[in-house]
Amino acid sequence: DAKTTQPNSMESNEEEPVHLPCNHSTISGTDYIHWYRQLPSQGPEYVIHGLTSNVNNRMASLAIAEDRKSSTLILHRATLRDAAVYYCILGEYGNKLVFGAGTILRVKS
Amino acid sequence: DTAVSQTPKYLVTQMGNDKSIKCEQNLGHDTMYWYKQDSKKFLKIMFSYNNKELIINETVPNRFSPKSPDKAHLNLHINSLELGDSAVYFCASSRSHGLPGYTFGSGTRLTVV
Repeated sequence: DAKTTQPNSMESNEEEPVHLPCNHSTISGTDYIHWYRQLPSQGPEYVIHGLTSNVNNRMASLAIAEDRKSSTLILHRATLRDAAVYYCILGEYGNKLVFGAGTILRVKS
Repeated sequence: DTAVSQTPKYLVTQMGNDKSIKCEQNLGHDTMYWYKQDSKKFLKIMFSYNNKELIINETVPNRFSPKSPDKAHLNLHINSLELGDSAVYFCASSRSHGLPGYTFGSGTRLTVV
């Protein structure tokens, strides 16, 4: 399973943008980049996924480097409700998701 | 209306007992999964069923036996519970095997004493 590297923790101010980085230098050509988050005492929640192009949805944006060896999850305006563990996961379509340690995001009011 | 529901939410039991955790999804998804989150918070996949057929069986002790009576249900039965089985168990589903956008349940916290 391809590995990802994320910072252990990050802090953000409420209503400011947050950029969560993820390094995946051993990514293969068929690996998708998936992001999930886990709020306290809840199950993981799907955020976004992409392959090569940047992606936007109602929750976040995903910026993927041209060489695909890194990506950034962008929360455009952090709220207290966004405080969670964010997981960056590589996986081919049809394969299982393997979760790493993730980044703990703290949001200050 | 809960998309993926697990019961019970909490389960405290003694070593050596046998227990079951139930999972149901009302999303019409074909694939369901069991994940285990240990005390260090790592999420590890245990099993995956696609249309009632077992497709992923990670290195899990055979005391753990999943059962899928239909594609909307995936139950987890655990025999001879051990202290190390204490964890939070999450059920999840997806439209088809490996497709993005898993929906997870809220978890079952199992404590073995």
